Amino acid sequence: EAGVAQSPRYKIIEKRQSVAFWCNPISGHATLYWYQQILGQGPKLLIQFQNNGVVDDSQLPKDRFSAERLKGVDSTLKIQPAKLEDSAVYLCASSQLKGLAGIHEQFFGPGTRLTVL
Amino acid sequence: KQEVTQIPAALSVPEGENLVLNCSFTDSAIYNLQWFRQDPGKGLTSLLLIQSSQREQTSGRLNASLDKSSGRSTLYIAASQPGDSATYLCAVGGYQKVTFGTGTKLQVIP
Repeated sequence: EAGVAQSPRYKIIEKRQSVAFWCNPISGHATLYWYQQILGQGPKLLIQFQNNGVVDDSQLPKDRFSAERLKGVDSTLKIQPAKLEDSAVYLCASSQLKGLAGIHEQFFGPGTRLTVL
Repeated sequence: KQEVTQIPAALSVPEGENLVLNCSFTDSAIYNLQWFRQDPGKGLTSLLLIQSSQREQTSGRLNASLDKSSGRSTLYIAASQPGDSATYLCAVGGYQKVTFGTGTKLQVIP
């Protein structure tokens, strides 16, 4: 079974530029998550999709960040314009509901390391 | 709001030692708790998932326990090896929401 795919793996941009990240979840996984992980911290959820609908985007800085999941499969996360504090690893994860117990086991991609200069 | 704490933030042990990593959470209304391992510059690798109805899960040298009433989970690593060196994260799954701890950075010294 193929895992969660992300690209690019690394990206260096200057502040005020735009950048986009792509994620392809595990086949059949209805739930997709984007996390931001700053060095030395745990992942922070930016947005969660259930199929192509948004479940939670309460921590997404909507003035500069946007995300979409067309057709309920692949997803893109965009930052426009980028700030220095956006330097982090952006992780994509997917999960499938297990049984009736409301359990989601998450599987992560390798992440995209963004450096904003 | 769920808060997840992992103590200690860093741990260094000699090879062969058994060790315990701790994870505490404030809201006991959870569906599951998942332990992950993260190597430098890499994504998260799932180690164990414990459902809220379970008390523990085992995989090889790893054993994870869950005590919902006290808001605690532990990850026990037996006979530690240098290859176990990584950051270990716990994630608490609630209704449509997952909350991560900040992790424990483990170093196993040969």
